[in-house]
Amino acid sequence: DSGVTQTPKHLITATGQRVTLRCSPRSGDLSVYWYQQSLDQGLQFLIQYYNGEERAKGNILERFSAQQFPDLHSELNLSSLELGDSALYFCASSVDRGGIYNSPLHFGNGTRLTVT
Amino acid sequence: TQLLEQSPQFLSIQEGENLTVYCNSSSVFSSLQWYRQEPGEGPVLLVTVVTGGEVKKLKRLTFQFGDARKDSSLHITAAQPGDTGLYLCAGARGSNSGYALNFGKGTSLLVTP
Repeated sequence: DSGVTQTPKHLITATGQRVTLRCSPRSGDLSVYWYQQSLDQGLQFLIQYYNGEERAKGNILERFSAQQFPDLHSELNLSSLELGDSALYFCASSVDRGGIYNSPLHFGNGTRLTVT
Repeated sequence: TQLLEQSPQFLSIQEGENLTVYCNSSSVFSSLQWYRQEPGEGPVLLVTVVTGGEVKKLKRLTFQFGDARKDSSLHITAAQPGDTGLYLCAGARGSNSGYALNFGKGTSLLVTP
């Protein structure tokens, strides 16, 4: 058990809809990362928050947004969903803000999003 | 283009065999991490290599970081069915928007009894 909790585990929705994925980091971790995993693209970095502030940004679409709340949990909002957004979405946490020497990431078990 | 290229993409072997998987890049990394992901779960860290030429052993797993810190390898001795999973390498990369841990696409390993 990594200590990172993601909800829901599965989500099925229709194109054009909006969903919110939730993540509670491991106790004591200040950084939260969001990754998207698909068969063809692998694990793609979306965005990182550290102690409530955006720290690093990857290939995150404009239709996607995230935030980290004062209690350090994070939400990833996906809107105007398309079929291609179907994927596994992982949240990970780490103790520090990250950098050249990244601290190990602790991953949740993911949310499987299916867009129909 | 993928920052970290992993090979082979798939590997199916029998219990007791040895294998090596590779993680290559044209970029220099200050450190590389190896993770293993099992179906239905998130990746779990196996090891971090930091120094060029470094070799780390974790039971039957041997990790090596290239001298130039651009590549790494994972060697498994006498593979067991419990080694089955997706092996991912990851390195931190900086950009205008900060540093991020980038992952290779992984090597999917199947060890059959």
